[in-house]
Amino acid sequence: EAGVAQSPRYKIIEKRQSVAFWCNPISGHATLYWYQQILGQGPKLLIQFQNNGVVDDSQLPKDRFSAERLKGVDSTLKIQPAKLEDSAVYLCASSLLTGGPYEQYFGPGTRLTVT
Amino acid sequence: SQKIEQNSEALNIQEGKTATLTCNYTNYSPAYLQWYRQDPGRGPVFLLLIRENEKEKRKERLKVTFDTTLKQSLFHITASQPADSATYLCAPPTTGANNLFFGTGTRLTVIP
Repeated sequence: EAGVAQSPRYKIIEKRQSVAFWCNPISGHATLYWYQQILGQGPKLLIQFQNNGVVDDSQLPKDRFSAERLKGVDSTLKIQPAKLEDSAVYLCASSLLTGGPYEQYFGPGTRLTVT
Repeated sequence: SQKIEQNSEALNIQEGKTATLTCNYTNYSPAYLQWYRQDPGRGPVFLLLIRENEKEKRKERLKVTFDTTLKQSLFHITASQPADSATYLCAPPTTGANNLFFGTGTRLTVIP
């Protein structure tokens, strides 16, 4: 079974520029998550989708971050404009369903450096 | 608000010994808890799930315990090997139980 795919793997941008990350979850997984992981910390949830609807975006900085999952499959996370503190690894994960003890499958992440 | 504490940022042990990692939680009572492994440059990988009515769960050389009285989960790796070196993350569900809340992790190094 193919895993969670993410691209790009690395991105370097200057502050105030915009950037987009793409994620393709495991086939058949209804739930998709975007996490931000700052060096030395655990993953922090940014947004969670169930099919193409948002379940939780309470920690998403909505003034600069946006995400969509239009057809309930792949997803895009965008940052515009980027700040220095956005430098982190952005992880995408998927699970079969939501609201229960379902294990999450993570992609390799995108390492973003904002200069 | 809920809080997760993993015992230390780093733990070094000798090959062959048992590694014990601690996860303490406060301000709520999760119905289950998951443990993940993360290698440098990679996403976390699920290892084990333990529910509140289970005292202990085992998988090969891994063992997890869940003490709801102490509000603590212990993660053990027996007969540790250098390949076990990684960061281990504790993840109970959030209070709404729709997703997971990850601890900061413990970086384990097994010395040959």
